[in-house]
Amino acid sequence: EVQLVQSGPEVKKPGEPLKISCQGFGDTFAKYWIAWVRQMPGKGLEWMGIIYPSDSDTKYSPSFQGQVTISADKSSGTAYLQWSSLKASDTAMYFCARPGGRSSIYYGMDVWGQGTTVTVSS
Amino acid sequence: DIVMTQSPDSLAVSLGERATINCKSSQSVLYDSNNENYLAWYQQKAGQPPKLLIYWASTREFGVPDRFSGSGSGTDFTLTISTLQAEDVAVYYCQQYYSIPLTFGGGTKVEIK
Repeated sequence: EVQLVQSGPEVKKPGEPLKISCQGFGDTFAKYWIAWVRQMPGKGLEWMGIIYPSDSDTKYSPSFQGQVTISADKSSGTAYLQWSSLKASDTAMYFCARPGGRSSIYYGMDVWGQGTTVTVSS
Repeated sequence: DIVMTQSPDSLAVSLGERATINCKSSQSVLYDSNNENYLAWYQQKAGQPPKLLIYWASTREFGVPDRFSGSGSGTDFTLTISTLQAEDVAVYYCQQYYSIPLTFGGGTKVEIK
């Protein structure tokens, strides 16, 4: 059974860089796309972007393009979400999730990580 | 971007009664070549990640109780919980996966009356 395990909670100051991770276990990690989803406190879900670890093909939501960088290391089965300079408005829970179709973006997301809380405060 | 609009924002239903959640997309998510609606429903309980309930608008994910059903086509969709159980208290989201950026509805909070 596939699992996505995310890195632990982060508390950072504005302007600091950050990279969080999502490691896949139990399945052919590189052959499925991995998405990142933001949930701000008390709010709904926002799709940020998606990566195909096999070749690092990446697609971003226009709302997040240029604000974050999504990457992956297929050898370790890990996807990453990073910021070069955090803002207070980046405070949120971040989930990684996997669309259920092998090699396809266009499926419901059937596997989710447990979430990583990012708090940005001076 | 395809905008997904859910209604109502919240609803309170008695145990054993029916709950109905609506989702409307700003453009059709029906893909003509395979006649599939690229629409999913998720359940998110407090403090947990979302869970996939329904995909292709009406296909129940493995292990999801049959009191959950999805219907609709094109731009108008419905999630129905036929007999509400206490464990169904959650926020429910629709999502289109027809085009990038994939987008979610704003969520519907279901509570017990």
